Parts: sequence; structure tokens; C-alpha cells
Amino acid sequence: DAGVIQSPRHEVTEMGQEVTLRCKPISGHDYLFWYRQTMMRGLELLIYFNNNVPIDDSGMPEDRFSAKMPNASFSTLKIQPSEPRDSAVYFCASSLDRGLTEAFFGQGTRLTVV
Amino acid sequence: AQKITQTQPGMFVQEKEAVTLDCTYDTSDPSYGLFWYKQPSSGEMIFLIYQGSYDQQNATEGRYSLNFQKARKSANLVISASQLGDSAMYFCAMREGFGGTSYGKLTFGQGTILTVHP
Repeated sequence: DAGVIQSPRHEVTEMGQEVTLRCKPISGHDYLFWYRQTMMRGLELLIYFNNNVPIDDSGMPEDRFSAKMPNASFSTLKIQPSEPRDSAVYFCASSLDRGLTEAFFGQGTRLTVV
Repeated sequence: AQKITQTQPGMFVQEKEAVTLDCTYDTSDPSYGLFWYKQPSSGEMIFLIYQGSYDQQNATEGRYSLNFQKARKSANLVISASQLGDSAMYFCAMREGFGGTSYGKLTFGQGTILTVHP
């Protein structure tokens, strides 16, 4: 398997623009997590899904952020409108639903909002 | 709510020496999993080791071992015979198990930067 695939790897956008980050989890994995990493706040869980259903979105910072998982092999994290403080590395991770197994991470998307 | 605490922002160790990275957690759930991840300067997140709350013995994976003290709610990572390539950020994480409202939720501590000196 190719692992968790995120796209794009880097994104530079202007403030106010819509940004869409994409994630393809490992085939057969039932859980999908979205994290944001910054120097100030560390690695924050934004939202996670189980079998395509959002379970906990309490980490989503505000209404400008939304996430979807239309099927088992694809998820998006959208920011609209983007702001400079959204600049961060966004990670997607997936895991099996078989006990408390480890999550496998994608390479991350480095987002810069100017 | 889950909480993971790593109190050491940075640690230094001499090559070939052992080092312990601290992690404490807080949960009221009887079932949970504890993890350590490594993030080198290249940015990827690498899974190192796992400990289940019901496991009787401490987990080990090569040079990594997890010193699990359930009563004290601590899950320290021990790296033996440190190598230069061990220099990285290390994260402790906890996953919620059965009995919690957010089964499967995986949250991370703030991380510890480990620097290995030659």
C-alpha cells in the first residue's frame, strides 16, 4: 500500500481565498483523523471520522473550517475564507478499527496564507 | 476529557547513552492505548511503540521501551544506546477505548525535542 496520501504537499494562498486539502487513507482503514501542527499550539486534533461518519469535531477552530468524508477512500478539509493564522502543517492519518491500533500519517500539507 | 502532558520541552543526551522522555496522561476510561511517535526534521510522523492499558508488561521495540506505570498515569519512553539519528521531536499520544464517549479518539502531547550529541 502507498500509505496515507495527502495533496497538495504545499499550498500558498492569499487571505480570503478558499483552500481545500485532500486525503486518501490507507485502504481498509476505518478511522481518519485531521490534525493541525503549529509551533505555538503543537499537534491539534481537528476532527476524526469512523466509517465515514464524523465522530468528534470539537477541535475545529471555527465555522470557516469544514471536513467531509464522502467515501471510505477520500476526505477533504476546507477553509473558507482562509486567514494568515491558518498557516500550519495539516496532517491526515488513518487507522484500522481493530482495537486501539496505531494511526499512520500522511506527509502533511504545509499551508501558507499570505 | 483526555489530556496528555509532556513536561520536557527539550532534552539532551550523549551518543550511546540512554534517555527517558516523560509523559503523563489523564483519563477516567479503563480502556485506552498509549503511543509514542517520532517526528524528525523532515516532518513525517513515525510510529514507535504502543502500550495498552490492560497490558501487564511494558512494551518494547528494539531500542525503545515504554515504562508504563498505570497507577501514576505515566508512560515514559526509554531510548537505549542513543544514536545521532534519534535527534527529533517525540510525541506521546493516547487513544480512547471502550467506555468513553469518543472511542478511537487519538490526542497528542506537546512533544519533546531530543538532541543527541556525538
